[in-house]
Amino acid sequence: DAGITQSPRHKVTETGTPVTLRCHQTENHRYMYWYRQDPGHGLRLIHYSYGVKDTDKGEVSDGYSVSRSKTEDFLLTLESATSSQTSVYFCAISPTGLITRYTFGSGTRLTVV
Amino acid sequence: AQSVTQLGSHVSVSEGALVLLRCNYSSSVPPYLFWYVQYPNQGLQLLLKYTTGATLVKGINGFEAEFKKSETSFHLTKPSAHMSDAAEYFCAVRTFRGQGGKLIFGQGTELSVKP
Repeated sequence: DAGITQSPRHKVTETGTPVTLRCHQTENHRYMYWYRQDPGHGLRLIHYSYGVKDTDKGEVSDGYSVSRSKTEDFLLTLESATSSQTSVYFCAISPTGLITRYTFGSGTRLTVV
Repeated sequence: AQSVTQLGSHVSVSEGALVLLRCNYSSSVPPYLFWYVQYPNQGLQLLLKYTTGATLVKGINGFEAEFKKSETSFHLTKPSAHMSDAAEYFCAVRTFRGQGGKLIFGQGTELSVKP
């Protein structure tokens, strides 16, 4: 989608290795979110950010950390990847927290072997 | 706390038939409700949303949904299915925990359209 880019699009990594996924936006939106998508679970919120250096946990935050040092970038880090973190990861952005108007990225497919 | 349940992980209809995808929600406050569509290998796209006002909401691609408070439902319908409607559909409710707006998603319903 225009204005939001996720990288990489696909990644295979080994158990125990660190992995960082990047979400980059050009919309200057305040809010950014990381979700994971798994069959039978829909999308579940991992972490979100409501401004530079302002982040909070979502419903499935264990094993993940995030950083937002500038408005346009929101990084998701798996400190030590596990097979249970094999998933499709989606970033979303929103201009305001009052009425949600999400724009989703195209996703990153992560496989942990 | 808010939650969403989508009834049926897979729905199959014939082209031209009615599409009905079911969503029930739980919310302790007046809900904001959303339907998203996901085509293969793509991100999610907003179909429609209900916040306040008219309970029948029209969205893109001929879809509509009706908010029924008494039934805690927000079912998605389309009068006549098209092959291009084959995708996965997610119902979501806004949660008010913490800062800003966040969505709680249902499990998803995969719609297949038969010729």
